[in-house]
Amino acid sequence: EAGVAQSPRYKIIEKRQSVAFWCNPISGHATLYWYQQILGQGPKLLIQFQNNGVVDDSQLPKDRFSAERLKGVDSTLKIQPAKLEDSAVYLCASRPRALETQYFGPGTRLLVL
Amino acid sequence: RKEVEQDPGPFNVPEGATVAFNCTYSNSASQSFFWYRQDCRKEPKLLMSVYSSGNEDGRFTAQLNRASQYISLLIRDSKLSDSATYLCAVETGGFKTIFGAGTRLFVKA
Repeated sequence: EAGVAQSPRYKIIEKRQSVAFWCNPISGHATLYWYQQILGQGPKLLIQFQNNGVVDDSQLPKDRFSAERLKGVDSTLKIQPAKLEDSAVYLCASRPRALETQYFGPGTRLLVL
Repeated sequence: RKEVEQDPGPFNVPEGATVAFNCTYSNSASQSFFWYRQDCRKEPKLLMSVYSSGNEDGRFTAQLNRASQYISLLIRDSKLSDSATYLCAVETGGFKTIFGAGTRLFVKA
């Protein structure tokens, strides 16, 4: 079974630029999560989708971050404009159903200069 | 107070040692509990789920104490390959997952 795919794996941008990340969850997984993990910290939930609907985006900085999951499959996370403090690893995870484990993608490592 | 708290460590232990980590959570309505392992520059991977009755998987034992609102992970007979960061995760209603900051473990030969 293919795992969660993410791209790009690495991205370096300057502050105030825009960036987008892509996630392809495991086939059939209804729930998709985007996390931000800053060095030395645990993953912080940014947004949670159930199929193509948003379940929780309470910690998403909506003035600069946006995410969508069209057709309930792939998802994109966008930052516009980026700030220095957005430097982090952005992890996508999916799960097939409630109470089952989440499977994480390899993450996108973002550096904002 | 953070919703999920862990001792960041690091824990430096010799091979063969037994080491235990605790993780406290603040939301008494939390429903599900997990331990994840994260290697350096890698994604988190599920180590084990934590059940009320406790559960064991080889050298790893996880326990849940709802009254005191903490979960624990015990690693027996530590191996060099156990060196990693151990993240606890707590799920609330709606399957929102909150992670602790992680506990770093170094196992030395």
